[in-house]
Amino acid sequence: QVQLQESGPGLVKPSETLSLTCTVSRGSVSSGSYYWSWIRQPPGRGLEWIGYIYYSGKTKYNPSLKSRVTISVDTSKNQFSLKLSSVTAADTAVYYCARIPDGNNWSPFDYWGQGTLVTVSS
Amino acid sequence: QSALTQPRSVSGSPGQSVTISCTGTSSDVGGYNFVSWYQHHPGKAPKFMIYDVSKRPSGVPDRFSGSKSGNTASLTISGLQAEDEADYYCCSYAGSDTYAVFGGGTKLTVL
Repeated sequence: QVQLQESGPGLVKPSETLSLTCTVSRGSVSSGSYYWSWIRQPPGRGLEWIGYIYYSGKTKYNPSLKSRVTISVDTSKNQFSLKLSSVTAADTAVYYCARIPDGNNWSPFDYWGQGTLVTVSS
Repeated sequence: QSALTQPRSVSGSPGQSVTISCTGTSSDVGGYNFVSWYQHHPGKAPKFMIYDVSKRPSGVPDRFSGSKSGNTASLTISGLQAEDEADYYCCSYAGSDTYAVFGGGTKLTVL
């Protein structure tokens, strides 16, 4: 079964850009059958969908984060990435990557990574 | 403040049944039959348990079932087992602007 693994700095300074990568194994980000997504969970709070990307580069972002988010895909490395600019303490969270099957209707997140904690602090 | 409201905790003894509620609005849970549930053991990857309100992915025991009435979806776990102790999150489609909204999570304790 597919496996997803998040990686990136665990500490980011305020106003800087948070950058994370999700490496996909036992599956391909180039598959036209899936979208690839980022989700986060601030400490003590619920989950928040950040956005997704298709292998073609098509993206969709949460309107509340859209001005600061960029998701990209690197098919040669079988990875997709998240960049969140101008971070504040409110962006401190566990960040998850997840897969969405491309179905006829709305599809759930069928596989997730274990998550990585990113702390925003000077 | 999460978009969907879940109880912070529920508990039950082995063999018993518990139900976790997930309350939204007519713009999400009540408006679509696109509710999913996830089980999360801390430190591990969340696991996909229910989709389209009541469908189970392959490999999920039939002890897990989902339902919906109006703006509230529910996850019922029957025949509780120790390994069911985890956090559970609901998720719903919320229209074309936002792909998904989630609940705040419910901690299930098996007594």
